[in-house]
Amino acid sequence: KAGVTQTPRYLIKTRGQQVTLSCSPISGHRSVSWYQQTPGQGLQFLFEYFSETQRNKGNFPGRFSGRQFSNSRSEMNVSTLELGDSALYLCASSLGGSPRSYEQYFGPGTRLTVT
Amino acid sequence: QQPVQSPQAVILREGEDAVINCSSSKALYSVHWYRQKHGEAPVFLMILLKGGEQKGHEKISASFNEKKQQSSLYLTASQLSYSGTYFCGTDHSGGSNYKLTFGKGTLLTVNP
Repeated sequence: KAGVTQTPRYLIKTRGQQVTLSCSPISGHRSVSWYQQTPGQGLQFLFEYFSETQRNKGNFPGRFSGRQFSNSRSEMNVSTLELGDSALYLCASSLGGSPRSYEQYFGPGTRLTVT
Repeated sequence: QQPVQSPQAVILREGEDAVINCSSSKALYSVHWYRQKHGEAPVFLMILLKGGEQKGHEKISASFNEKKQQSSLYLTASQLSYSGTYFCGTDHSGGSNYKLTFGKGTLLTVNP
């Protein structure tokens, strides 16, 4: 079974630009969560999508948004990039829907550098 | 609120045991443990649910004290492959629309 894939793996952007990251979950998984990982803050929850609906959202500004498509693939968008947005962005998929399905499988991440 | 993990770092020799703790100031519905090796994605280790149910790898053991809002991960007879950063994630909502709040991690180094 193929794992979670994320594209691109590395990205360099300048302040003020916007960026779109993509995540393809494991086949059959309907839940996709996004996390930001930085050395100082660790893993921080951004949002979670299940069956194309955002079910939960972390404490990030509105510049961070996402969506999920009917095939469960998900995209995350960050507009008006700031230096502080430099981080590893991880997506994780799970079956979702019930506590027994909460095991998450993480992708390799997209390393975003904002200059 | 972010759970607090302790210790922040621990160094072991192969074969030694370690305990990693995770504490929350809020009531917990479940605790999730993940390990991340340098440059790799986090990997699932275990879920502990309120009420005592557990799901995870056979070689990993953990406890969940609902009253104290704490969880501990027990690593026995450590191997070199156990090295990595261990994260606990806490869920305070239950249900299907949950979100995990992760601690800052515990760096475990196992030396030969």
